[in-house]
Amino acid sequence: EPEVTQTPSHQVTQMGQEVILRCVPISNHLYFYWYRQILGQKVEFLVSFYNNEISEKSEIFDDQFSVERPDGSNFTLKIRSTKLEDSAMYFCASSPSGRIFHEQFFGPGTRLTVL
Amino acid sequence: AQKVTQAQTEISVVEKEDVTLDCVYETRDTTYYLFWYKQPPSGELVFLIRRNSFDEQNEISGRYSWNFQKSTSSFNFTITASQVVDSAVYFCALSEAFVQGGGGNKLTFGTGTQLKVEL
Repeated sequence: EPEVTQTPSHQVTQMGQEVILRCVPISNHLYFYWYRQILGQKVEFLVSFYNNEISEKSEIFDDQFSVERPDGSNFTLKIRSTKLEDSAMYFCASSPSGRIFHEQFFGPGTRLTVL
Repeated sequence: AQKVTQAQTEISVVEKEDVTLDCVYETRDTTYYLFWYKQPPSGELVFLIRRNSFDEQNEISGRYSWNFQKSTSSFNFTITASQVVDSAVYFCALSEAFVQGGGGNKLTFGTGTQLKVEL
């Protein structure tokens, strides 16, 4: 069964460094998402992406964040200058369309630790 | 704005007990979907169920059942005869109707309920 994959599973970085989190969505899906979960808290929407553009972003998704689909398979989240409070689990998700009856399939997550 | 409330932060039960996890939602849309996800200690999000706003029939899947009541804006989840493997954080989530302009249907999650099932 097709699945969303994410790399790395765990990333440790120093404050101020740039990180890129990678996701490979399910191949025929058109909508892509990033969510964040700070340890012990709820899962929060960051951004949705369709047709090589951001469709919607949350207040969390400030200028330090960017997303890109550099090729036909990868979907990346870049944090330009990491802060301690960026430490969290980052989940990528994809869905066949933006219709709400289409389930979002989540990847296993990347745990980001900022020291 | 959409909102999901899971008032129970943590529930502890003894194996074989039944347990109900509460979920209350707020939305202005008439068309929406409700979801439950399980997050085991390993951290991944496991999809359990999706329910649309027009279908209020209760659903049963093995030991799991869901009670959707639009009148009280609730979508509660019951585990019958709980097992240790059910120990996890359970999240309820809401997705509103398709966004104009091609936006995807973001999920709004509740704060989760930590379920501990002990022997």
